[in-house]
Amino acid sequence: NAGVTQTPKFRVLKTGQSMTLLCAQDMNHEYMYWYRQDPGMGLRLIHYSVGEGTTAKGEVPDGYNVSRLKKQNFLLGLESAAPSQTSVYFCASSYSRRDSRAGELFFGEGSRLTVL
Amino acid sequence: GESVGLHLPTLSVQEGDNSIINCAYSNSASDYFIWYKQESGKGPQFIIDIRSNMDKRQGQRVTVLLNKTVKHLSLQIAATQPGDSAVYFCAEGTSGTYKYIFGTGTRLKVLA
Repeated sequence: NAGVTQTPKFRVLKTGQSMTLLCAQDMNHEYMYWYRQDPGMGLRLIHYSVGEGTTAKGEVPDGYNVSRLKKQNFLLGLESAAPSQTSVYFCASSYSRRDSRAGELFFGEGSRLTVL
Repeated sequence: GESVGLHLPTLSVQEGDNSIINCAYSNSASDYFIWYKQESGKGPQFIIDIRSNMDKRQGQRVTVLLNKTVKHLSLQIAATQPGDSAVYFCAEGTSGTYKYIFGTGTRLKVLA
């Protein structure tokens, strides 16, 4: 049981390049999230998904796209990277809101992205 | 190294003492609150949660207190240990939504 796994863990991009961050969870969780974490700021929600095939925007969705084709995977894409997207990205998953444990987000180890 | 949280408020506590970490939340409609711990280079880890129909909840060595009147949340750690050194975040959420708002965090340093 690996929990939440993110790949890659580190990446350096040039402005304008594209990339995809992959998140995989093996806990059969319904909900999945992508957050970014910047110095002096709390985690900010980029996009989230409440089930396979569904996605929704969070607080800071601009410049990112996501897909949830399989229940266990949640992909975060940057089509044209910008220096403002330099950050640490965290994927998380949780049980559905119907479950009493819904508030417990399980986080991955993070992916550090630098855009030059 | 960990660059996140360079300018976080820091609480320094002697090993064995109790720690109290405070958090003010913003949304009076929030009815669910969670504390997370984040060690350097790792993702946040769930510690304890509390719903708005409670004002206190205890876990193993941790207690969360909720004061809805002043929109304040605190995390108490008993007999603080070196392994408790980390950044602690509070988060607030509202029933029926899927979004949690995270605070900026407090760094806890445990002094030997």
